[in-house]
Amino acid sequence: DAGVTQSPTHLIKTRGQQVTLRCSPKSGHDTVSWYQQALGQGPQFIFQYYEEEERQRGNFPDRFSGHQFPNYSSELNVNALLLGDSALYLCASSLIYDYEQYFGPGTRLTVT
Amino acid sequence: AQSVSQHNHHVILSEAASLELGCNYSYGGTVNLFWYVQYPGQHLQLLLKYFSGDPLVKGIKGFEAEFIKSKFSFNLRKPSVQWSDTAEYFCAVTVLGSTSGTYKYIFGTGTRLKVLA
Repeated sequence: DAGVTQSPTHLIKTRGQQVTLRCSPKSGHDTVSWYQQALGQGPQFIFQYYEEEERQRGNFPDRFSGHQFPNYSSELNVNALLLGDSALYLCASSLIYDYEQYFGPGTRLTVT
Repeated sequence: AQSVSQHNHHVILSEAASLELGCNYSYGGTVNLFWYVQYPGQHLQLLLKYFSGDPLVKGIKGFEAEFIKSKFSFNLRKPSVQWSDTAEYFCAVTVLGSTSGTYKYIFGTGTRLKVLA
């Protein structure tokens, strides 16, 4: 049973560029959440997707957007990258109405 | 605003020592509480969770945690740590969203535990 997978593993971008990160949820899961984990910090909630809609959003600017596909996989897009966007981006999947989330290994984004 | 506080940022113990990591949250509603562990180079893994019932919950690898509602606390304990317990530990609480079925996790800043062999 495959767990949560994320791609790419590492990414280096330049300020002002745009980036897309991808996540495949654990088999059977229908809900995907995204988190940003800066160095030395705990994960910060970005948003949650269910039924291809954004259901919940954290305190992140509109530069952060997402998408969920019919197969429940998801993308996180970040526009106009800033140096401060450098972080580990985590995807977590779950079943709606189930509070237990399963986390992927993350994508390490470095903005130079 | 909802928040989770982990008071110990770095802890160093010798093997066989007892461990207690503090976690306090600020949220007035019904809570679900979690402890996650992140071993070096690995992803977040669930150690244990509390939804309801017995406030003393047992998790994997000999860890346990106690929910004390009056203190808004959910401290993690282990009677005897091992070198392999060296990792970063995160406390988290779920906050329900405005739409039924939605929620988000609020994480603490983490505690880095180093166990000396």
